Amino acid sequence: GESVGLHLPTLSVQEGDNSIINCAYSNSASDYFIWYKQESGKGPQFIIDIRSNMDKRQGQRVTVLLNKTVKHLSLQIAATQPGDSAVYFCAENRRENAGNMLTFGGGTRLMVKP
Amino acid sequence: DVKVTQSSRYLVKRTGEKVFLECVQDMDHENMFWYRQDPGLGLRLIYFSYDVKMKEKGDIPEGYSVSREKKERFSLILESASTNQTSMYLCASSRRWGGGSANEKLFFGSGTQLSVL
Repeated sequence: GESVGLHLPTLSVQEGDNSIINCAYSNSASDYFIWYKQESGKGPQFIIDIRSNMDKRQGQRVTVLLNKTVKHLSLQIAATQPGDSAVYFCAENRRENAGNMLTFGGGTRLMVKP
Repeated sequence: DVKVTQSSRYLVKRTGEKVFLECVQDMDHENMFWYRQDPGLGLRLIYFSYDVKMKEKGDIPEGYSVSREKKERFSLILESASTNQTSMYLCASSRRWGGGSANEKLFFGSGTQLSVL
C-alpha cells in the first residue's frame, strides 16, 4: 500500500548546527504536505506546510523542500536550539469524502546536544 | 489560539470495560478527528467527523465508535476495551476543507494515554 515514511528514527545534532529531517512518500496523488513537531507531553503542533505546486517554502528558521520527482520531503531547521528537541512528523493530505485525511509518517526524534 | 481539550491525560481501564474519551474544541471547527499514536507507527486515523452527527471511518476503526452530538465535542468510545488498545489517543480539529492551507491545519489536543490491563 501507499505510505509516508521517514528515513531516520533519531537525529542528534549540535546546538547551533543546521538539522535536516527527511521523509519519503509514495502517494503521487497527494498534493499537500505538512510538518508537525511534538514535544514531550504535548500534542503535535503545526510547523510548516507546502503544496505540490511548490518546491520550497520558508518559515522562521525552518524550510521545507519538496522533490516530487523522487517523492521526497525534507525539513531544514537553521541554527538548531535546545527547544527544537522533539519528534517531528511529516504528513501528506489525501482528500477523501468531505474532509482532510492526513497520513503520518512514523516520526523522527531530534536531539539537540548543548 | 485554538484550544483542543482532552478530558483526561492518563486513564487506566480493565479489559472489557466501556471507555469514553472526550474532546472539546473552542474554535467552532467543523472537522474533528481521533488518532492513536504508537511508537514507530506515527499517528493513525480512527474516525473523523465533518459535521454534527456525521462520522466517517478512518484507517483503523475496528473496536471503536464515535459520537458527535454537538459541534464542539467529539467522543471516542471503546465498547469493550482490550489490551491492544493501550495507546496514546489524540484528538484534533480543523476548519472545513476549503482548499487553503489554513483551512487544512490540524490543531491537536495534548493526548490521553490509555492503559488497558
